[in-house]
Amino acid sequence: SQELEQSPQSLIVQEGKNLTINCTSSKTLYGLYWYKQKYGEGLIFLMMLQKGGEEKSHEKITAKLDEKKQQSSLHITASQPSHAGIYLCGADRGSNYQLIWGAGTKLIIKP
Amino acid sequence: KAGVTQTPRYLIKTRGQQVTLSCSPISGHRSVSWYQQTPGQGLQFLFEYFSETQRNKGNFPGRFSGRQFSNSRSEMNVSTLELGDSALYLCASSMGQGLGYTFGSGTRLTVV
Repeated sequence: SQELEQSPQSLIVQEGKNLTINCTSSKTLYGLYWYKQKYGEGLIFLMMLQKGGEEKSHEKITAKLDEKKQQSSLHITASQPSHAGIYLCGADRGSNYQLIWGAGTKLIIKP
Repeated sequence: KAGVTQTPRYLIKTRGQQVTLSCSPISGHRSVSWYQQTPGQGLQFLFEYFSETQRNKGNFPGRFSGRQFSNSRSEMNVSTLELGDSALYLCASSMGQGLGYTFGSGTRLTVV
């Protein structure tokens, strides 16, 4: 099983609707990263969360890290076609200079 | 400022050949990490370099190697290519752990 569980695997949302993607770890995280990827391209940085209870927002995207630093959510408000893509969470365990990744959530926005 | 530059963007190689991929980090970033992305395995860590030293290596065979130069540019090499090496190879640069990672556009390697 994945060290970092991401859900749902895919999501089809009507344009204008809100949605949430979750990322869960069995271990405490040093940091949690959210990235967006268009098919076959590089990763676009969205948010980095490091403190328990931290919440960050940028435009219509809000990311939260729970107090235990084991679960994060990414919330998109009033979705737009530009939000379509694959969302990936990456976890920093703080000791070995690498990120562990979730399997990704494929987001499709229906007009 | 310029982002992370990976070259080439696309490569087609034959089984048994070797390949070298290049990554130029953001100016001032001394850490460079490499990841392999495939539909079946997702993103897998290959290795990380800092100031020309490999600090960590993922669970890949010895055919996968890398290095970092004094200007922080990094290369990764895959020898004796196999069909299963077909993937998107991504490089990320960082100023250090916990300081964020910026990814390049990737190199799409196809082995035929």
